Amino acid sequence: AQSVTQLDSQVPVFEEAPVELRCNYSSSVSVYLFWYVQYPNQGLQLLLKYLSGSTLVESINGFEAEFNKSQTSFHLRKPSVHISDTAEYFCAVTYPQGGGSEKLVFGKGTKLTVNP
Amino acid sequence: DAGITQSPRHKVTETGTPVTLRCHQTENHRYMYWYRQDPGHGLRLIHYSYGVKDTDKGEVSDGYSVSRSKTEDFLLTLESATSSQTSVYFCATKAGGQGSYEQYFGPGTRLTVT
Repeated sequence: AQSVTQLDSQVPVFEEAPVELRCNYSSSVSVYLFWYVQYPNQGLQLLLKYLSGSTLVESINGFEAEFNKSQTSFHLRKPSVHISDTAEYFCAVTYPQGGGSEKLVFGKGTKLTVNP
Repeated sequence: DAGITQSPRHKVTETGTPVTLRCHQTENHRYMYWYRQDPGHGLRLIHYSYGVKDTDKGEVSDGYSVSRSKTEDFLLTLESATSSQTSVYFCATKAGGQGSYEQYFGPGTRLTVT
């Protein structure tokens, strides 16, 4: 069965420190990967995605994630976090089947708290 | 943002009553989804739709039904609400077709069953 594991349920860090949120998925030949962010009392927003090409993908607000096929991982990183990055982050995976009918499988989420 | 609205945004209801949540989208996306979010469980798929009148079950569909009579609307019904259905419910859409893999989420509905 398809599954996504987010290894840390909570990650507290200080402002301007680096952070890594870990995500592993069950192995497959082909996979598409996503990170979503959820700010308090809001819906999920797409942060970044990997579909193909460069294994390092970036978001507009300084986050990046690297697709590592051999380790079946898609960890999210930011070199220097801000208070405003406090949110819950969800890793999600889909396994391409063609035609657009693929469903997303979500991890259980990691709550990032950035402290001053 | 795919222009997704959910109504109501908050609802408190009693055990045993029927409840219907509405999701409305303005992007003409083919696929629509209902998820529930609970602490420690992430998002779990309840039901989804791949076109008007075409729906299928997700991983936690027991006690829920859905309907989609128009492209823009996807309704989630709890026939007889139970306390275990207290949750935050999110609707999502996806355009569909080749190259369309990301889903776009609505703001959520917080449902409390007393």
